[in-house]
Amino acid sequence: AQSVTQLDSQVPVFEEAPVELRCNYSSSVSVYLFWYVQYPNQGLQLLLKYLSGSTLVKGINGFEAEFNKSQTSFHLRKPSVHISDTAEYFCAVKGGYNKLIFGAGTRLAVHP
Amino acid sequence: DGGITQSPKYLFRKEGQNVTLSCEQNLNHDAMYWYRQDPGQGLRLIYYSQIVNDFQKGDIAEGYSVSREKKESFPLTVTSAQKNPTAFYLCASSTTGTGTTGNTIYFGEGSWLTVV
Repeated sequence: AQSVTQLDSQVPVFEEAPVELRCNYSSSVSVYLFWYVQYPNQGLQLLLKYLSGSTLVKGINGFEAEFNKSQTSFHLRKPSVHISDTAEYFCAVKGGYNKLIFGAGTRLAVHP
Repeated sequence: DGGITQSPKYLFRKEGQNVTLSCEQNLNHDAMYWYRQDPGQGLRLIYYSQIVNDFQKGDIAEGYSVSREKKESFPLTVTSAQKNPTAFYLCASSTTGTGTTGNTIYFGEGSWLTVV
């Protein structure tokens, strides 16, 4: 069965500092991985996705993630965060029948 | 603009009452989904539908029901049998192909349900 573990429930960081949000997955089938962002009281917005090809994936808002098959990881990074990046971030793996299996989420808090 | 519309945004329900959350999409997607979100628990799948007139239970279907009579609509009914219905509910949709587009799921803005 597929599952996703987000290793940090909360990540505090100062503005303009780099950040990494960690995600590990388990899957016995072809791996499709996603990062979504959720701002307060809103739906989820796709940040980036890995389907195949290059292991470094670039997304919106300056985020990128690296797929590491040997470590079963898909960590999200941004070299310099802004106050506006404060949100909850979800890592997800595609399961059967096109379903998404989500991690518990990481709350990123950017401080001035 | 294409997208997924959920209504109402906020809903209050008395215990023992059924309530229906609306989800409409104009993306021409075949598949639709309902997720429930509770603080600190991520999202859990309630029901999903790959095609009109067909749907399957997700991980937490007890106390919920759905219908899929039209491609663009996938309403969710929270019944009185659902013991802890207060939550944020998210509707989503996608194509069902195996290509790049078919693997992206798009979400609506969500509906808050509070039982009083």
